[in-house]
Amino acid sequence: DADVTQTPRNRITKTGKRIMLECSQTKGHDRMYWYRQDPGLGLRLIYYSFDVKDINKGEISDGYSVSRQAQAKFSLSLESAIPNQTALYFCATSPGGTGVEKLFFGSGTQLSVL
Amino acid sequence: AQSVTQLDSQVPVFEEAPVELRCNYSSSVSVYLFWYVQYPNQGLQLLLKYLSGSTLVKGINGFEAEFNKSQTSFHLRKPSVHISDTAEYFCAVSETNTGFQKLVFGTGTRLLVSP
Repeated sequence: DADVTQTPRNRITKTGKRIMLECSQTKGHDRMYWYRQDPGLGLRLIYYSFDVKDINKGEISDGYSVSRQAQAKFSLSLESAIPNQTALYFCATSPGGTGVEKLFFGSGTQLSVL
Repeated sequence: AQSVTQLDSQVPVFEEAPVELRCNYSSSVSVYLFWYVQYPNQGLQLLLKYLSGSTLVKGINGFEAEFNKSQTSFHLRKPSVHISDTAEYFCAVSETNTGFQKLVFGTGTRLLVSP
């Protein structure tokens, strides 16, 4: 089983709909992240969480919200989806503490907003 | 703030040929540097990282990268590529002086290895 699991793998939705992307991990890591990947733009950080009570905005948080339900679960919501939120979304984890972060990624969720 | 430039969006190469994927960064402070690889339909995984010490860093699958501070570069190399190396490669940088070393990714280079 994957250490970082994202559901669903693919989702097609319509403009204005509320969407939730889920991420769970079995690595026991404290830190979790949501990134989006767009062709030609690389990965951009949406939100990150250092523990259940700590949520931080990344560089492109507008239009998104997150919930850290438990150490192992971090979900990303689009309250009212719009077409330019069509992208590949990745959840990642890292162990935290001191030192440089090595990120462990899920397999991604391809979201299409029509 | 730090930034990363990967000038080549796509690099085609024949199997067993050498390859270099270029990465340049910009930062006003010391940095840590990373290369991540994304195989088709998978998430990213760490290939190698430079934190300090020797400027030549060896990673998984025969890849290596050299940190050049004067040229602010961290190019990735492999002397002989395989078909299985076909993937997208991302260079990333984080600054050393922040409590949370946020990673900034480049736009990626797609390596296409053909027989």
